[in-house]
Amino acid sequence: KAGVTQTPRYLIKTRGQQVTLSCSPISGHRSVSWYQQTPGQGLQFLFEYFSETQRNKGNFPGRFSGRQFSNSRSEMNVSTLELGDSALYLCASSLAGTGDPANEKLFFGSGTQLSVL
Amino acid sequence: DQQVKQNSPSLSVQEGRISILNCDYTNSMFDYFLWYKKYPAEGPTFLISISSIKDKNEDGRFTVFLNKSAKHLSLHIVPSQPGDSAVYFCAATWSGSARQLTFGSGTQLTVLP
Repeated sequence: KAGVTQTPRYLIKTRGQQVTLSCSPISGHRSVSWYQQTPGQGLQFLFEYFSETQRNKGNFPGRFSGRQFSNSRSEMNVSTLELGDSALYLCASSLAGTGDPANEKLFFGSGTQLSVL
Repeated sequence: DQQVKQNSPSLSVQEGRISILNCDYTNSMFDYFLWYKKYPAEGPTFLISISSIKDKNEDGRFTVFLNKSAKHLSLHIVPSQPGDSAVYFCAATWSGSARQLTFGSGTQLTVLP
């Protein structure tokens, strides 16, 4: 079974631009979550999508948004980029059937490394 | 406000010895805890988890202990192997929001041959 695929692997943007990151979950997984990893803040939850609906959202400004398509693939968008947005953005998928943590392990992709200059 | 804390940024252990990684949490709502391992240029991979109704969970060389009264958990790796060298993240969540994990800042484990 193929794992979680994130594209692109690396991205360089300048301040003020916008960026879209893509995530393809493991086949059969219906939930996609996004996390931001920075050296100072560690891994922080951005949002989670299930059946094309955002179910949970972390404490990030509205410049961070996402969506999920009917095939469970997800995109994350950051508008008006700031230097502080430089980070590794990780996508994770899970079956999301029961709500029971024991049955809903997250499987992470390798991430998109975003650098904002 | 860090709800999950890993106070040791790094740990070095000799091969064959025990590695003990520690994690503290502050949010009493957390009832499920996980450990993830991360190699450079890869995403985190699930290692082991524990529910708050237990105080210990074992999986091969890995054991997680939970002390609810102290809001503390630890990961024991016995025996440690050079391939265990990675960053270990502690994470916590609560039932009903299983996919929203709160992570600690990670501990870099180095196992010396």
